Amino acid sequence: KQEVTQIPAALSVPEGENLVLNCSFTDSAIYNLQWFRQDPGKGLTSLLLIQSSQREQTSGRLNASLDKSSGRSTLYIAASQPGDSATYLCAVRPWDTDKLIFGTGTRLQVFP
Amino acid sequence: ETGVTQTPRHLVMGMTNKKSLKCEQHLGHNAMYWYKQSAKKPLELMFVYSLEERVENNSVPSRFSPECPNSSHLFLHLHTLQPEDSALYLCASSQDPPGALSEKLFFGSGTQLSVL
Repeated sequence: KQEVTQIPAALSVPEGENLVLNCSFTDSAIYNLQWFRQDPGKGLTSLLLIQSSQREQTSGRLNASLDKSSGRSTLYIAASQPGDSATYLCAVRPWDTDKLIFGTGTRLQVFP
Repeated sequence: ETGVTQTPRHLVMGMTNKKSLKCEQHLGHNAMYWYKQSAKKPLELMFVYSLEERVENNSVPSRFSPECPNSSHLFLHLHTLQPEDSALYLCASSQDPPGALSEKLFFGSGTQLSVL
């Protein structure tokens, strides 16, 4: 059974820092992995989607990498800003199911 | 707004009430989803509809009843809920069918449900 873990559960950093959020999954047989952002009391916004054949995806200050063999993905945020404060969730889609399996998220706070 | 609208934003109901959650997507997508998000738990998929046909029912109790009258609208009818059903209920849509390699979900802002 696929399980997705995100560490740390919460992170607080000063503005301007480069930071890395971690996501690990137990079964490497996945179609893709997605990173989402969720603001308090709101829905999820898809940030990056990495197909199983890809190693990384970039969007602006965000870079996500995927290492299927080790069951890991990282989301790198460059030059963090207070507006980046949110919960970041990763989700994988296994080969044997159509549904996404989500982690519990990392709650990020960037203070001025 | 993201193109997926959910109403109401907040709902408080007693265990004997009947209420409905509504979701509308303005993106021309073909698939719609209900997710449940409880505190400190991963998102749980509840129901999936593709082209108005239910394709996934993730062993959800019968006190939750979905309805998809057309590809733009999705409802979740609630009846005789329990306090542990209190959660954020999120609706999502996707252009591609469930399971497509490029499946990308667009979420609404959710309905925060409290069952007393």
